[in-house]
Amino acid sequence: GQNIDQPTEMTATEGAIVQINCTYQTSGFNGLFWYQQHAGEAPTFLSYNVLDGLEEKGRFSSFLSRSKGYSYLLLKELQMKDSASYLCAVSREGFQKLVFGTGTRLLVSP
Amino acid sequence: GAGVSQSPRYKVTKRGQDVTLRCDPISSHATLYWYQQALGQGPEFLTYFNYEAQPDKSGLPSDRFSAERPEGSISTLTIQRTEQRDSAMYRCASSPGTQQDNEQFFGPGTRLTVL
Repeated sequence: GQNIDQPTEMTATEGAIVQINCTYQTSGFNGLFWYQQHAGEAPTFLSYNVLDGLEEKGRFSSFLSRSKGYSYLLLKELQMKDSASYLCAVSREGFQKLVFGTGTRLLVSP
Repeated sequence: GAGVSQSPRYKVTKRGQDVTLRCDPISSHATLYWYQQALGQGPEFLTYFNYEAQPDKSGLPSDRFSAERPEGSISTLTIQRTEQRDSAMYRCASSPGTQQDNEQFFGPGTRLTVL
């Protein structure tokens, strides 16, 4: 089986930095994805980590520790448009099947 | 196509009726996925296709659910004898299907309501 945990909700202020954590327990781990989903819209891809370490992409960075079963998504210089749900997803048993967490709803306030 | 499309966007049906949902993936993508997403939850895997092959249908909740992709492009998800618990957003996604390029692109979804 698999278990993916992430906080249900977080709040932050415009211009600040926020870190969204994700822990997972799964057999046959292959890689970890982060997706952003605005209310009423489809999830959109943010990042994919296979190896340990930090991947930086503009204002967003994602970190993975395979030994600890832990990842985080770091959002810098928060903007109001970053208010959304952030979904952590694990690929296992090859690279095609994704198991998603329940998502973290981030609210950015002025 | 430019992106993944799904139809219908909304479907309301009565308990016991059959429904068929359609997904049109990005044209160059080998792999197509079906997910079920409840409100406030992440997508839950149902099944996927590599072209017309269906290697994994372990996520289908019951034998009332079936999916096809007969020509390796458009796919349909059919739910027979719908029940109220089938009410959810059904999302399709596609990807190139390689280890190096496995980002999944999601469609807008079909919101199914079973009365």
